[in-house]
Amino acid sequence: DAGVTQSPTHLIKTRGQQVTLRCSPKSGHDTVSWYQQALGQGPQFIFQYYEEEERQRGNFPDRFSGHQFPNYSSELNVNALLLGDSALYLCASSFLPTGTGGREQYFGPGTRLTVT
Amino acid sequence: GENVEQHPSTLSVQEGDSAVIKCTYSDSASNYFPWYKQELGKRPQLIIDIRSNVGEKKDQRIAVTLNKTAKHFSLHITETQPEDSAVYFCAAPTGFQKLVFGTGTRLLVSP
Repeated sequence: DAGVTQSPTHLIKTRGQQVTLRCSPKSGHDTVSWYQQALGQGPQFIFQYYEEEERQRGNFPDRFSGHQFPNYSSELNVNALLLGDSALYLCASSFLPTGTGGREQYFGPGTRLTVT
Repeated sequence: GENVEQHPSTLSVQEGDSAVIKCTYSDSASNYFPWYKQELGKRPQLIIDIRSNVGEKKDQRIAVTLNKTAKHFSLHITETQPEDSAVYFCAAPTGFQKLVFGTGTRLLVSP
């Protein structure tokens, strides 16, 4: 049973470029959340996808966008990269049964993005 | 607004001692409180969680307590071992499963 996977592991981009990060959720999970973790800080919520729709969004600009595919995998796109976008990008998957309430979220290994 | 405060930021203990990390949350609707352990260069790993209908949960050397009235929850590690050294994050959900994380506690267990 595969856990959450992410690709690529590391990425180096220059300012102004665009990047796409990918995430495959844990088997049986249908919800993917993306987080940005700057060095020495806790993960910051970017957005969450469920049923191929963005369900909730954190305080990130529109340069950050995403997509979820029918197989529940997800992509995070960042346009017009800034130096401050350098961080570890984590995706977390969970299963959303009927009703609301917190559910266990399991993190992937992350993609380390460096913007020069 | 949504906020999770975590203390202390660093904690140094001797092997075998106990360690306690405390968090306070602001969203009274939060009903699930996970703790994550993150070793250097690795992903956050879910180590224990508690739901709002329970006051305490224990898993071997790790326990979590919750006081919903005070909006406090704490992680307790007993008989600490060097491999417990890591950064620990508490979190609380707000809205639709959005996790808000604390600022982290760097735990150092010295042999």
